[in-house]
Amino acid sequence: SQQGEEDPQALSIQEGENATMNCSYKTSINNLQWYRQNSGRGLVHLILIRSNEREKHSGRLRVTLDTSKKSSSLLITASRAADTASYFCATDARGGRRALTFGSGTRLQVQP
Amino acid sequence: ETGVTQTPRHLVMGMTNKKSLKCEQHLGHNAMYWYKQSAKKPLELMFVYNFKEQTENNSVPSRFSPECPNSSHLFLHLHTLQPEDSALYLCASSLGGTMNTEAFFGQGTRLTVV
Repeated sequence: SQQGEEDPQALSIQEGENATMNCSYKTSINNLQWYRQNSGRGLVHLILIRSNEREKHSGRLRVTLDTSKKSSSLLITASRAADTASYFCATDARGGRRALTFGSGTRLQVQP
Repeated sequence: ETGVTQTPRHLVMGMTNKKSLKCEQHLGHNAMYWYKQSAKKPLELMFVYNFKEQTENNSVPSRFSPECPNSSHLFLHLHTLQPEDSALYLCASSLGGTMNTEAFFGQGTRLTVV
């Protein structure tokens, strides 16, 4: 089973609305990261939150982390059509392999 | 541009062919990774290299053979692949031996095995 699993699998909203994506994971982590992928392209790093942090902001992005529930959320405020992409959470597991483990992603469609 | 360059961007090969994927970064990173992304599946880690040494092989079939001649270059040699190996192959790099900082990904090589 995957370390990180996103919810929902797909999300369709109107431009200007907020988009919230959730991620759950199974093991203790050093940090959790969110990435964005446009169709068929490479992943682009959005934000990293460490295990001792609870919330982090970057522009229109807000990430929360609840280590007791092993979950994280990514909020994109005032969405734009250009935000249309797949969003992945990735975990750096404590004591685990020296690489990120990714979830299946949330496909976000922002309608203009 | 993330600073990680993958070539070729697209590759079609027969099951008896031998081909290589190339990844290059000049970010000063010491760790490089190969991931496989198949349709409707999470990214699968294949190999990890730290300071040119392979530190992780995620039970990848031997028809995939990685090579890391230096910290800036990573290759994936392919031979006698199967149609189910068709996927997007992504290379990534990070600063240190653990991904406690962000990873930089290339644009990927879209591989089709016919």
